[in-house]
Amino acid sequence: SSELTQDPAVSVALGQTVRVTCQGDSLRNFYANWYQQKPGQAPVLVIYGKNNRPSGIPDRFSGSSSGNTASLTITGAQAEDEADYYCNSRGPVFGTGTKVTVL
Amino acid sequence: QVQVVQSGAEVKKPGASVRVSCKASGHIFDTYGFTWVRQAPGQGLEWMGWISFNNGDTNYAPRLQDRVTMTTDTSPGTVYMELRSLRSDDTAVYYCARRVCDAISCYDDHWGQGTLVIVSS
Repeated sequence: SSELTQDPAVSVALGQTVRVTCQGDSLRNFYANWYQQKPGQAPVLVIYGKNNRPSGIPDRFSGSSSGNTASLTITGAQAEDEADYYCNSRGPVFGTGTKVTVL
Repeated sequence: QVQVVQSGAEVKKPGASVRVSCKASGHIFDTYGFTWVRQAPGQGLEWMGWISFNNGDTNYAPRLQDRVTMTTDTSPGTVYMELRSLRSDDTAVYYCARRVCDAISCYDDHWGQGTLVIVSS
C-alpha cells in the first residue's frame, strides 16, 4: 500500500520537544520528506532525504526513520512552528497531515 | 535563488477544462521537473502527478489520469497542467513545486503561490 498515515493533531508547550510521525510501507525503502503549511500559505519543505534541512530552515527541525515509520522532531518548539505538517516519500502520496499546536 | 510563479485564479463551469501554468526562474539547472498538488478547501494535500523536464515523462495519480495532462513548454522552466471534465469537487488550490532528485531521494523544494480554481455553475 502507498498510504501514509499521520496522527491528526499534537500539541506541545512552548520550548518543549514534539515528534510528528508518519507510517507507511513505502518508508521501508524510501526516506520521508516533510512539509510545513501555515493557513493560507503554500507548503514549505522542512526536511528531505535522510535528515537534510533546506537553507533557511532552523536546526530545531530534524528527521529520522525506523522500519515503516518516519518522524519529524521539533526540539524547542516556537510559536511560529504552529502549522500543519505533511509527510511524503518517493511514492505518489502525501500523508494525512498533522496539526501541531504550540501552547 | 529559485522562484516558482503560477498563473492566476480561474472560475470554470462543470464539464469545462482548466489549464494552469507554472514557471521556475533563477538557479534552476538542477531541476528534475515539477510536481502538481492540489488542496480542496479545509482538506489535506493531494498528489496529482509530476513531469520531467529531460524527456517529458509523466506520472499521474490513478484517480486523475484519465482527466489530467501535464506538459512542458519551449519556454525554459515552464510547465502546464490541464484538467478536463471539471466537477465541483475539483474546486481547490492547485500548487506546482520544483522537483529535485539526488542519489537517494526526490523532493519538492520550491513551491508556487497556488492557483485557486473554482468550479461552479
